[in-house]
Amino acid sequence: AQSVTQLGSHVSVSEGALVLLRCNYSSSVPPYLFWYVQYPNQGLQLLLKYTTGATLVKGINGFEAEFKKSETSFHLTKPSAHMSDAAEYFCAVSDQVNSGAGSYQLTFGKGTKLSVIP
Amino acid sequence: DSGVTQTPKHLITATGQRVTLRCSPRSGDLSVYWYQQSLDQGLQFLIQYYNGEERAKGNILERFSAQQFPDLHSELNLSSLELGDSALYFCASSRREEANTQYFGPGTRLTVL
Repeated sequence: AQSVTQLGSHVSVSEGALVLLRCNYSSSVPPYLFWYVQYPNQGLQLLLKYTTGATLVKGINGFEAEFKKSETSFHLTKPSAHMSDAAEYFCAVSDQVNSGAGSYQLTFGKGTKLSVIP
Repeated sequence: DSGVTQTPKHLITATGQRVTLRCSPRSGDLSVYWYQQSLDQGLQFLIQYYNGEERAKGNILERFSAQQFPDLHSELNLSSLELGDSALYFCASSRREEANTQYFGPGTRLTVL
């Protein structure tokens, strides 16, 4: 079974500071990895994803993440935090449940709530 | 806006009742997934449908059921509701060409009193 661990349920950064949200996963097969963001009272928005190829992936709103197989990590970073980045961030790993059926079940971490201090 | 729509946005009901949550996937998406988000359990996969057929089951209670109709919209039926069923219920969809990527709707917040 796959699992995702997000270190830190709450992270606070100053506006303009580096954002680093940590995610480690366990998977018996090469994983598909995702970061989603959830703003208050809203749904989940896809930030970025890693499927194959380049291990450094860029997403929306200036976020990027690096897949490190040796560390089983997929940490999310942003060089300079904005007030609008305050939200909850979820790391997820995808497992193909039924081969050939295009069935991919997402397993989520517990989320990290990001606060940005002005 | 992901293109996935869910109705209603909010639902308040009493224990023992039955409710139906509706989801319309993005245009062209054949797969629909249902997830439950609660404070104690986090985000959990419930069930997946692909082009009208059930394809995968997760932590879905026997009191819950779902179906996908010929027009590809899906409904999640929750019966004999308990206080612990209060949660956010999300629908997500994906297309065959990008099957590993799911796009989420805005969710339905269910409150059981």
